[in-house]
Amino acid sequence: QVQLVESGGDVVQPGESLRLSCEASGFTLSTRVMFWVRQTPTKGLTWVAVISSDGLDKYYSAFFRGRFSVSRDSSKNTLYLQMRSLRPTDTGVYLCARGEGDAPAAPWSYYMDVWGKGTTVTVSS
Amino acid sequence: SSVLIQPPSVSVAPGQTATMTCGGDDIGSKTVRWYQLRPGQAPVLVLYDDTARPSDIPERFSGFNSGATATLTIDRVEAEDEADYYCQVWNARDFVLFGGGTKLTVL
Repeated sequence: QVQLVESGGDVVQPGESLRLSCEASGFTLSTRVMFWVRQTPTKGLTWVAVISSDGLDKYYSAFFRGRFSVSRDSSKNTLYLQMRSLRPTDTGVYLCARGEGDAPAAPWSYYMDVWGKGTTVTVSS
Repeated sequence: SSVLIQPPSVSVAPGQTATMTCGGDDIGSKTVRWYQLRPGQAPVLVLYDDTARPSDIPERFSGFNSGATATLTIDRVEAEDEADYYCQVWNARDFVLFGGGTKLTVL
């Protein structure tokens, strides 16, 4: 069964760091385009980052560029989101999603065909 | 503009047709995706490439995209269709864009 399970969400103070994980089952994560998306009650869905299928190219929303970084561990079939210098505005549920498409040079063009349920990050003093 | 505009809410009685729009500059030249979000559940892709349905999505779901508006239509609405629906496009400048979402209420 194809599944994504996020973990690592927590309550942290502004300026702190956090690493989120997204473990895949039923498919090989390291051969696929993968996304991180944030969900909040007020702003809905916001794209965070995408990593190409070969893992060499990573793209970030301007809101998170420079503070967040996406990576993966093939041996663990897991995707990560390293979050630094966290702000209260980063609060939300972070979801990972598998990408599907046919343009490896443009991973952002892929659609998200499998999603996890998300993990909650709260940034508050 | 890189903003996708969705009405905040749509209400429909069971068995009727729900129409949700996604507006954006020349959105008709882009490929639109639609996602369904129910509380406590993983989001679900309901349409891609404007009109294509994943194999597990009922035929009641259909899409259209032309000019400045893309549309998701749900025929014969059922209680289980109650959810938030988001449109999404991509471009080479902003990469991935989501609309603000529409809450579908089944009366």
